[in-house]
Amino acid sequence: DAGVIQSPRHEVTEMGQEVTLRCKPISGHNSLFWYRQTMMRGLELLIYFNNNVPIDDSGMPEDRFSAKMPNASFSTLKIQPSEPRDSAVYFCASSLAPAGRPAEAFFGQGTRLTVV
Amino acid sequence: SQQGEEDPQALSIQEGENATMNCSYKTSINNLQWYRQNSGRGLVHLILIRSNEREKHSGRLRVTLDTSKKSSSLLITASRAADTASYFCATDAGGGYNKLIFGAGTRLAVHP
Repeated sequence: DAGVIQSPRHEVTEMGQEVTLRCKPISGHNSLFWYRQTMMRGLELLIYFNNNVPIDDSGMPEDRFSAKMPNASFSTLKIQPSEPRDSAVYFCASSLAPAGRPAEAFFGQGTRLTVV
Repeated sequence: SQQGEEDPQALSIQEGENATMNCSYKTSINNLQWYRQNSGRGLVHLILIRSNEREKHSGRLRVTLDTSKKSSSLLITASRAADTASYFCATDAGGGYNKLIFGAGTRLAVHP
């Protein structure tokens, strides 16, 4: 398996534009997580899905952020409109959570977003 | 919000020395995990310790967990320059979703 695949790896956009980040989790994994990493705030959990259903989006900073998981092999994180303070590295991670047993998370390489 | 806090924030050692990083957390956990992040890359899982375990080993890594003190430590023995990275602890409060909350991390520099 190629691991968790994120695209694009780098994105530079102007303030006010819509940004869409994409993630393909590892085949067979049933949990998917979106994290944001900044120097100031570290790694923040934004939202996570289980079996394609959003479980907890309390980490989403504002209504400008939305995430979808239309099927088991694809998820998007959208920011509309983007602002300079959204500049960060966004990570997608997936894991297999069988009947509550603990499991590791597998991370993608991240998308470095710069909003100018 | 961050659950765990690592200390030190940064650690600089010579090759061959041991490196110890500590993590404290606030709420009850099901398990605690340590991850490594090389500059500009994603996080990679190192080791998982369950709440009913006190110590775990994996190669040159040794992890301890003290649930009464809500703390964990990661020891890397005989460090190498290739161990240079940031190390994060992550807590899983249970619930079956493997939801991980990460600490701020420790930046480790190992000098040849």
